[in-house]
Amino acid sequence: KQEVTQIPAALSVPEGENLVLNCSFTDSAIYNLQWFRQDPGKGLTSLLLIQSSQREQTSGRLNASLDKSSGRSTLYIAASQPGDSATYLCAVGDNNNDMRFGAGTRLTVKP
Amino acid sequence: EADIYQTPRYLVIGTGKKITLECSQTMGHDKMYWYQQDPGMELHLIHYSYGVNSTEKGDLSSESTVSRIRTEHFPLTLESARPSHTSQYLCASLRGREAFFGQGTRLTVV
Repeated sequence: KQEVTQIPAALSVPEGENLVLNCSFTDSAIYNLQWFRQDPGKGLTSLLLIQSSQREQTSGRLNASLDKSSGRSTLYIAASQPGDSATYLCAVGDNNNDMRFGAGTRLTVKP
Repeated sequence: EADIYQTPRYLVIGTGKKITLECSQTMGHDKMYWYQQDPGMELHLIHYSYGVNSTEKGDLSSESTVSRIRTEHFPLTLESARPSHTSQYLCASLRGREAFFGQGTRLTVV
């Protein structure tokens, strides 16, 4: 059974810093990996989707990488802003349309 | 961008009541999912559907039931709510392999 781990569980940084969030998974036979943002009490907003054949995806200040063989993905946020404060979740999709979620990293960006 | 809606957003009900959480999507997606999430905790899959008349239980045992009579709707029902059902319920649909989520329903059973 696929297990997804996100480290750290919480992260606090000053505004303007670049930061990296980590996601690891135990079974490398994945179909894709998706990063989400969740604001308190809200649903999930999709940030980036990486197919298993891809190495990275970029959207604005966000860059997600995928290394299937080592079972890792990172989400890089450049020049962080207070508005980036949220919980970031990664989800691993398999060939059966199942998605496994990590517990998330709660990010706080201080002004 | 997919549009997926959940109602109500917040619900406080008494123990023993029957409730239905609504989830609708307007993009014709076949695959839909219900997740349960306790505050600060990970999401757990409780039900999913691959299309009309298809429903399956997820990883997390749940006393809820679902139906999929129409592509657009995937309601979740609790026949007799209990305080242990207090949680956030998130509905999602898939476009290809990309997931889209509703805003969630925060349920409190008192």
